[in-house]
Amino acid sequence: AQKVTQAQTEISVVEKEDVTLDCVYETRDTTYYLFWYKQPPSGELVFLIRRNSFDEQNEISGRYSWNFQKSTSSFNFTITASQVVDSAVYFCALSGRNNNAGNMLTFGGGTRLMVKP
Amino acid sequence: AAGVIQSPRHLIKEKRETATLKCYPIPRHDTVYWYQQGPGQDPQFLISFYEKMQSDKGSIPDRFSAQQFSDYHSELNMSSLELGDSALYFCASSFTLNTEAFFGQGTRLTVV
Repeated sequence: AQKVTQAQTEISVVEKEDVTLDCVYETRDTTYYLFWYKQPPSGELVFLIRRNSFDEQNEISGRYSWNFQKSTSSFNFTITASQVVDSAVYFCALSGRNNNAGNMLTFGGGTRLMVKP
Repeated sequence: AAGVIQSPRHLIKEKRETATLKCYPIPRHDTVYWYQQGPGQDPQFLISFYEKMQSDKGSIPDRFSAQQFSDYHSELNMSSLELGDSALYFCASSFTLNTEAFFGQGTRLTVV
């Protein structure tokens, strides 16, 4: 069984602060993908990143960065210099590749990020 | 770029009625996934189709059925609606089973 845990249900920061969203996962699959999605108040799910389990390189995209550590089964997401527009619910998700449903995502409970001006 | 199109965006139904949600995948995508997100919940996988065949099944109630048509669009049929079916229903599509899936904007179903 797969499980994704986002221990932080809600985080509140002031604009320009850095913030890290934690994600811990469990899986028996040897090959898997990890994802982050953003869900703004409008409701859509916006794809942010997909990471293959064999690729432990950290990734940076603008103000966003991701830290994947297989040893601790964590895939944390950091927003640098947060902005009000970053306010949203962020979901970490996991999909395994040892079956045919490669994109059957298991989501974490989400972290609601509130960035105050 | 074309995205996943879901219709309708909002739907209000009464208990015991039926509803049909439609999903039009990104062109050339052959795989469709359906997810249900209850209020304050994370999305839960319902069912997926690859090349018009069901590829996997999650926590989809027996009252729900879905299919993927020859043009790759998919429909989720929901019968005997219950108040607890009120949720945001997402469709996602991908090219084959093992590439990233892109989500539509969702259909918000309210059962009254």
